[in-house]
Amino acid sequence: DVKVTQSSRYLVKRTGEKVFLECVQDMDHENMFWYRQDPGLGLRLIYFSYDVKMKEKGDIPEGYSVSREKKERFSLILESASTNQTSMYLCASSWGGPNTGELFFGEGSRLTVL
Amino acid sequence: DQQVKQNSPSLSVQEGRISILNCDYTNSMFDYFLWYKKYPAEGPTFLISISSIKDKNEDGRFTVFLNKSAKHLSLHIVPSQPGDSAVYFCAASDTGGFKTIFGAGTRLFVKA
Repeated sequence: DVKVTQSSRYLVKRTGEKVFLECVQDMDHENMFWYRQDPGLGLRLIYFSYDVKMKEKGDIPEGYSVSREKKERFSLILESASTNQTSMYLCASSWGGPNTGELFFGEGSRLTVL
Repeated sequence: DQQVKQNSPSLSVQEGRISILNCDYTNSMFDYFLWYKKYPAEGPTFLISISSIKDKNEDGRFTVFLNKSAKHLSLHIVPSQPGDSAVYFCAASDTGGFKTIFGAGTRLFVKA
């Protein structure tokens, strides 16, 4: 079974703190993604990566950065957390090359910024 | 500008009956349409997909219908079971999934 593991299920941080969200996948997938899920807005893509050290902005990259130093690991960084970044963050991975677009998600990290 | 819309925030259905979840899209360039299911405190899991060149795909109790002229797709669950109670997200994707757009979700309640 594909497994996508997010290091922290629940985090509480203060405004201005630097936040790291880690994600590891064990299926040798080329592509990895970070989404945030908010009520009434569905899932919105923050960043994605199609290879080690490669990254592309998604629809809402402002206030976030990412790092992919190893194929299996994709990190989301909030340089200076703000209250409007309180959300559920979901990491996903998928195979490279042409495919149906099926994404494999982790269980999510619920971040609260006070 | 929502490219994928799920206009019903919630749906309640009796166990054993059919559940129909609807989704509309605006961009004709999507290659695949997918449905994901999400339980509370878990990540979404893939349920079923359909290629843009097909009009129906079936997998057990789940069938997805695609009406390209109306830019509309629907997910039929029959018979519905209490374990189907979850949030269902409609998604549209290019080949490769780099630009997957999700709807806002529909919460399905299946009453025993």
